[in-house]
Amino acid sequence: NAGVTQTPKFQVLKTGQSMTLQCAQDMNHEYMSWYRQDPGMGLRLIHYSVGAGITDQGEVPNGYNVSRSTTEDFPLRLLSAAPSQTSVYFCASSRGLRNQPQHFGDGTRLSIL
Amino acid sequence: AQKVTQAQTEISVVEKEDVTLDCVYETRDTTYYLFWYKQPPSGELVFLIRRNSFDEQNEISGRYSWNFQKSTSSFNFTITASQVVDSAVYFCALSEAQGGATNKLIFGTGTLLAVQP
Repeated sequence: NAGVTQTPKFQVLKTGQSMTLQCAQDMNHEYMSWYRQDPGMGLRLIHYSVGAGITDQGEVPNGYNVSRSTTEDFPLRLLSAAPSQTSVYFCASSRGLRNQPQHFGDGTRLSIL
Repeated sequence: AQKVTQAQTEISVVEKEDVTLDCVYETRDTTYYLFWYKQPPSGELVFLIRRNSFDEQNEISGRYSWNFQKSTSSFNFTITASQVVDSAVYFCALSEAQGGATNKLIFGTGTLLAVQP
């Protein structure tokens, strides 16, 4: 089982560039989410989705867009990258919609110059 | 507001020592869930345990044990006879069960555990 797959694993961008972080899961999980991990701050929720076609904002959504056209995929888009978005990004999924353990991808390390 | 505090930023122990990682949480809800995740040096996040607010029984899984005390809003994690492979960052997290569909996690800032051989 692949579980939750994130691509790319590493990326360097210049300020103002846009890019999409990919996330795919093969467990038919309804719930998917994106977190960012910054030193000394733990993980913070960016956006989440409770099913195809349904997304909502988390704690730190500014500068990011998401869409959920299929159950499997949940891409995260940076519209105009800023140095403050330098972080490690984790995608997660879970079976069910309430208080379930999350399955995390391996993360994408993103640097904005 | 919900909050999870892991006051221990870093802990260093020698192999075979016991170590306890502290987690204190704040929530107004009476129904909630608490989690522990492990992040080894390779970077992935591994789920360890989930506990709901109505179950205060301590849990033991091999060398790992968890002590949940609602009276002090704490959910502490103890590793007995630590091993080098236990070296990792450990995160405590909270999610609230009330309201709409939600698996939203509030994470603590993590505790870096270094187990020296």
